[in-house]
This record gives sequence, structure tokens and C-alpha cells, in this order.
Amino acid sequence: AQSVTQPDIHITVSEGASLELRCNYSYGATPYLFWYVQSPGQGLQLLLKYFSGDTLVQGIKGFEAEFKRSQSSFNLRKPSVHWSDAAEYFCAVGHQTGANNLFFGTGTRLTVIP
Amino acid sequence: NAGVMQNPRHLVRRRGQEARLRCSPMKGHSHVYWYRQLPEEGLKFMVYLQKENIIDESGMPKERFSAEFPKEGPSILRIQQVVRGDSAAYFCASSPGQTRVTDTQYFGPGTRLTVL
Repeated sequence: AQSVTQPDIHITVSEGASLELRCNYSYGATPYLFWYVQSPGQGLQLLLKYFSGDTLVQGIKGFEAEFKRSQSSFNLRKPSVHWSDAAEYFCAVGHQTGANNLFFGTGTRLTVIP
Repeated sequence: NAGVMQNPRHLVRRRGQEARLRCSPMKGHSHVYWYRQLPEEGLKFMVYLQKENIIDESGMPKERFSAEFPKEGPSILRIQQVVRGDSAAYFCASSPGQTRVTDTQYFGPGTRLTVL
């Protein structure tokens, strides 16, 4: 069965520092992988996605993520965090077989301190 | 290009009442998904619909919950005889459905249901 693990419930970083949010998945085949961001009281916004090809994916707002099949990971990174990046971040995995529902991790809450 | 729209944004119901949540997909999107987010948890898939068809309802509770996506109008998630445990944020997503394997879902702002 598919599952997504985000081991860090809450992360605090200083503005301008680098950021890495971890995501591990369990899936029998090559998955489709997504990162979404949710600001308080808002819906989810797609940051980036991986379907195939280059394992380093660039997204919006300066984020990138790297798919590592050997580690079953899809970690999200940003070289320099801005105060506006404070939000909840969700990793999700989708099927390649055609089924369309996404499996979400429990999220990582990012706090940015001045 | 308007995004996915959901209304109401906040809904308060008393136990035993009915809740109706509406979702209008993005223009040109023919696929709709509903997810539920309980406090401090990630989103859980409930149901996937195309126009006039339920494709996958494997995440829907067996009783009291139903969903539809009529030929005209928004998709509706209906919860009958609500209980306190139904309090959650309900998110709708839509996708173009052009190719199933690379479809990307775009989410609405959610409806926050509170059951008193």
C-alpha cells in the first residue's frame, strides 16, 4: 500500500538560512510525487511535481526537490528561506497506473524567525 | 482564470443536521476530487468524480456521506446527520483529466465544517 512519511512535524529556521524538508514514500513502482504548501486558513498550492526524467525538479518560489529512488525520498529544499515561507508543507504521492487519488503525508509546519 | 472555488468557506451545523459543500472546478477541468483534513493531520482522499460519474469512492465513509458531480453545476459533497467527528476541513481539487497518468490536481480553499 502507498504511504508517505514526513518525519519532521515542526521545523524552525532563521530567515535567510537554508531549508530541507524530508519526505519518504512507500510505493511498489515509480511514483508521481508532489509538494504542496498550505498557508493558514488557505487551500493547498502546488509547489512542484515529479513524474519522470530529471530527478532534480524546480518549482515555484525558489523551491526544488530531488527524487532519490534508492532512498525512497523526495526532499524539498530552498537555499534561503523568506519569512513568507512560513506555512505547512505536504508531500504527496500519486499512482502511475492511472488511479488519481493522492496520498498525503501528515505535513511539516515551518516557522521562520527573524 | 479563476481557480477552484468552494463554498461556503465556513459552515456550522448542529448534530443531526445536513451539511452541503459545493465545489466548482477550474474552467476546462472535468475531474473533481474531495479530501478531508482532520486537525493536525494530512489530507485523506474521499472520492473522485467525473461529470455524472463516481469513479472512485474508496475513501468515503459507508454511511451518511455522498457526492455528486452533475452535468450542470458544481460538485456537491453531502453529509447527512452530522456528528462532531465530521468537524474538519474539506478540500476539493480539480484536474483537466487529459491524461490520467500525468494529471495534476489543483486545490480549492476548503470548507471548514464545525459541528456543535
